[in-house]
Amino acid sequence: NAGVTQTPKFQVLKTGQSMTLQCAQDMNHNSMYWYRQDPGMGLRLIYYSASEGTTDKGEVPNGYNVSRLNKREFSLRLESAAPSQTSVYFCASKRGSRGEGEQYFGPGTRLTVT
Amino acid sequence: DQQVKQNSPSLSVQEGRISILNCDYTNSMFDYFLWYKKYPAEGPTFLISISSIKDKNEDGRFTVFLNKSAKHLSLHIVPSQPGDSAVYFCAASSNSGTYKYIFGTGTRLKVLA
Repeated sequence: NAGVTQTPKFQVLKTGQSMTLQCAQDMNHNSMYWYRQDPGMGLRLIYYSASEGTTDKGEVPNGYNVSRLNKREFSLRLESAAPSQTSVYFCASKRGSRGEGEQYFGPGTRLTVT
Repeated sequence: DQQVKQNSPSLSVQEGRISILNCDYTNSMFDYFLWYKKYPAEGPTFLISISSIKDKNEDGRFTVFLNKSAKHLSLHIVPSQPGDSAVYFCAASSNSGTYKYIFGTGTRLKVLA
């Protein structure tokens, strides 16, 4: 049982390049989330998917798109990377679609945009 | 506007003593609260949670207290151990909302041996 996996672990992009961060969970969870963590800012929600086939914006969605490919996979795409998107990105999943319950986090992707 | 605030960026405690981490929130619609622990280069891991119908929840060395009137929660770790050294995040959500969790900025705990 791998839990939540993320690829890649590290990535360096030039301004304007695009890339997709991959996330998969093997716990049959309904909800999935993408966060970014910046120094002094905590974890900020970019997008989430309460269930397969649905996605919604979080606190900081600008510059990102997401795809809930199936129940297991939730990808985050940067169409035209900017230095302000340099951050550590975490994917998370949760069993329920609403209410209580803890999120399980992946190990993170450290992205640098030069 | 920071809806969940952890005003202490860092805290140092002697091994064996109590660690108290604090968290304040502003949104009265929040009714479920969690604490996560994060080691460097790893994702956060769930520690303990509390629903707004309770004012205390205990799990081994970890106890979370909720004061709804003050919109304040705290995490107590007794006794503190060197392995507890990590960044601790509190998070809040609303059952009547959009299933989003709002995180605080974190407190770095250092337990001194």
